[in-house]
Amino acid sequence: VLTQSPGALSLSPGERATLSCRASQSVPSNYLAWYQQKPGQAARLLIYDASSRATGVPDRFSGGGSGTDFTLTITRLDPEDFAVYYCQQYGTSPLTFGGGTKVEIK
Amino acid sequence: EVQLVESGGGLVQPGWSLRLSCAASGFTFEDYAMHWVRQAPGKGPEWVSGISWRGGVIGYAESVKGRFTIARDNADNTLSLHMYSLRLEDTAVYYCAKANEPRRWLVGKWGQGTLVTVSS
Repeated sequence: VLTQSPGALSLSPGERATLSCRASQSVPSNYLAWYQQKPGQAARLLIYDASSRATGVPDRFSGGGSGTDFTLTITRLDPEDFAVYYCQQYGTSPLTFGGGTKVEIK
Repeated sequence: EVQLVESGGGLVQPGWSLRLSCAASGFTFEDYAMHWVRQAPGKGPEWVSGISWRGGVIGYAESVKGRFTIARDNADNTLSLHMYSLRLEDTAVYYCAKANEPRRWLVGKWGQGTLVTVSS
């Protein structure tokens, strides 16, 4: 089970966002990904293998952590970053998603 | 450009069957694992099923095991999901997704999805 916190985050553009994802068991090989989803759109892969940025993802997005505790950091929020973020583990089957963190404009 | 185009969604009654298809283009299909991910209205994503690049490894979520069957045709660049004994809780947008890298299981790009509504 992946537990994301907080459930929602109210921040202003330019601020730093730190999102947490905690796994109930250690994620094999740190196979942990982060996705961004905007209303009415499919999710977009941001981070994989806990800390590798996907192609085309701005460097203000960074992932960290290992084992059971992982974080997604957005250093300076851009207006286009307000969205819902999900973590997902793909180290064991079935693949599982966290419940999401909504980053909203303050 | 990678394109994943789902089709086959619609309105069905509980207990009915439905077959979803995904037409893939813009990449070497036979090198990539493929997945189905669904998202119920107002909920987070749920991984449904995945199949390795040659079809030798298949996985299912517990919620669909024994009712859904994933398959791929590498000659035709298509992915399918056969859904049987549909339940109200299967109502969702179903997304076809490709792995991010060849020969890896990680879910990368998603299609735009097809809506499946199970209702009496």
